[in-house]
Amino acid sequence: DAMVIQNPRYQVTQFGKPVTLSCSQTLNHNVMYWYQQKSSQAPKLLFHYYDKDFNNEADTPDNFQSRRPNTSFCFLDIRSPGLGDAAMYLCATSRDIRQYFGPGTRLTVT
Amino acid sequence: EDKVVQSPLSLVVHEGDTVTLNCSYEVTNFRSLLWYKQEKKAPTFLFMLTSSGIEKKSGRLSSILDKKELFSILNITATQTGDSAVYLCAVEAGYGGSQGNLIFGKGTKLSVKP
Repeated sequence: DAMVIQNPRYQVTQFGKPVTLSCSQTLNHNVMYWYQQKSSQAPKLLFHYYDKDFNNEADTPDNFQSRRPNTSFCFLDIRSPGLGDAAMYLCATSRDIRQYFGPGTRLTVT
Repeated sequence: EDKVVQSPLSLVVHEGDTVTLNCSYEVTNFRSLLWYKQEKKAPTFLFMLTSSGIEKKSGRLSSILDKKELFSILNITATQTGDSAVYLCAVEAGYGGSQGNLIFGKGTKLSVKP
């Protein structure tokens, strides 16, 4: 079944220690999104790729970076995680208005 | 395997119609069910449901959860063209005291014609 895969599902990192979250898709969608979701809130869009074109949201901190080496993969790099970055990170893909979400990576910062 | 199934996947109605969107789920350690509206980019939050049989209402939108039959419905009355969007259902499933994971359905794409 075509899907959006996120690894790892749970990630624990130390304050200030760089961490990378991974997303892959078998849907061959041209758009990939990264969201941050904190408890009981709607997902907050960090950035998205339209093919190779990177689109950063205005309020996304510089601490968050992303890479998309090919259509199937997209990475979220957090250069120096703070305690406030602990959240669920969701990856989604789309070809049109409908977005397909992965299961998320739960990030804990100690 | 945890899953969330929404139906229908697409729906076309005319302004003024009433629609019902369905979400069924199979998860272990259910915590809550959430409805979102997604128009262009990020979804916006509509409702969070944790208890069976208690209707949540916001304007023309309402939702209810049935934890025995494992489903939820989202109703929109007197639809308007601005209601056109993808409506996402997500279930939070968790273990013990930790925060849960979200499992999203594929969404229902609603188109409201003038």
